[in-house]
Amino acid sequence: GAVVSQHPSRVICKSGTSVKIECRSLDFQATTMFWYRQFPKQSLMLMATSNEGSKATYEQGVEKDKFLINHASLTLSTLTVTSAHPEDSSFYICSARDATGTDTQYFGPGTRLTVL
Amino acid sequence: GESVGLHLPTLSVQEGDNSIINCAYSNSASDYFIWYKQESGKGPQFIIDIRSNMDKRQGQRVTVLLNKTVKHLSLQIAATQPGDSAVYFCAENKRQAGTALIFGKGTTLSVSS
Repeated sequence: GAVVSQHPSRVICKSGTSVKIECRSLDFQATTMFWYRQFPKQSLMLMATSNEGSKATYEQGVEKDKFLINHASLTLSTLTVTSAHPEDSSFYICSARDATGTDTQYFGPGTRLTVL
Repeated sequence: GESVGLHLPTLSVQEGDNSIINCAYSNSASDYFIWYKQESGKGPQFIIDIRSNMDKRQGQRVTVLLNKTVKHLSLQIAATQPGDSAVYFCAENKRQAGTALIFGKGTTLSVSS
């Protein structure tokens, strides 16, 4: 089946620094990728929708200047958490929509971000 | 706003029992529903899906039932095994619109031997 990878799987950073998370579709092209955030014992909350070659669409309450999304190719989207704060510590998960096949969304394994 | 929710946050069963996990959705425009399994520290794993033109779909040991009249979705797991222990989420969207999935709150399934 289709595979989505994320890198890194875990990252620890200091407050004020920026962290980049990559989401790749390994064997299919994804015109649309989605970024979710999940706090402990909670559900996945959609942060933004990323379309290849265009600006991301952010959900209400998500700061676009803090969570920078770039979808430069059909297989790669990146999420950069800028000026990280301990409150940003969370599990970040991406999904990619296979637009050429069944239109199914495939999820990455997630990235655990800890901001000290 | 509209959201997908779940009736019970936890469900404990004995190995070999059948499990039923329920979900209520509120967006009548949704036409595609999916159940995911998430183990600790991992991303969601697809279990089974169903479109709104169906009311039942079966997979290997799993069955999804959709009742559009009362906006209710359920996941039935037959002969539950310890490896089924995880958090289960239902999700919905309007498939052709290519929109993001909206997730419910999750039910933690614990299977004891």
